[in-house]
Amino acid sequence: SQQGEEDPQALSIQEGENATMNCSYKTSINNLQWYRQNSGRGLVHLILIRSNEREKHSGRLRVTLDTSKKSSSLLITASRAADTASYFCAKTFSSGSARQLTFGSGTQLTVLP
Amino acid sequence: DGGITQSPKYLFRKEGQNVTLSCEQNLNHDAMYWYRQDPGQGLRLIYYSQIVNDFQKGDIAEGYSVSREKKESFPLTVTSAQKNPTAFYLCASSGGTRLQEQFFGPGTRLTVL
Repeated sequence: SQQGEEDPQALSIQEGENATMNCSYKTSINNLQWYRQNSGRGLVHLILIRSNEREKHSGRLRVTLDTSKKSSSLLITASRAADTASYFCAKTFSSGSARQLTFGSGTQLTVLP
Repeated sequence: DGGITQSPKYLFRKEGQNVTLSCEQNLNHDAMYWYRQDPGQGLRLIYYSQIVNDFQKGDIAEGYSVSREKKESFPLTVTSAQKNPTAFYLCASSGGTRLQEQFFGPGTRLTVL
């Protein structure tokens, strides 16, 4: 499967701590995106990193990409209770349609107040 | 406000009945997508359309059908041939200057009794 894995499946931290989620894949990608989903809602795009980029920042979010290890990480700094959600990585593979995304199974983040 | 809407939010149907889920966008996006999400899982692509009057099967198209007669609309029909239709269905669109990023609707939760 091209999907790869996300880990951990679930993560529970205290408010103010940092949260790190990981995403791995098996075949070459054009880009990788991270999305957030609140329970029972649609997904919201967070950040996109291209295959020739190594790190991107957006506010309290930091995404890294290591193409040699075929993995990406999403770091949320100084977490808040409102960050509680599921986080998904979505890959665009080099061999597939330019617009087709393949989603991982997600990490459920719980930030305790 | 620009956005993507899905209706209804909740849908109940008897086994053996076809049901059509609505998806409308006013973002002027060329591409639209349908995903299925099962509890605790990531999204799986059912169908996608990159342009009016054209659509492609995704990973799990069996038991589903779509049409794309207008740019703004991409309805999904869940047919009686779909063996396990109870799920959360998400519609998305992409286009404009941020081609790779998908914008999601709020979802429709379908329960087949």
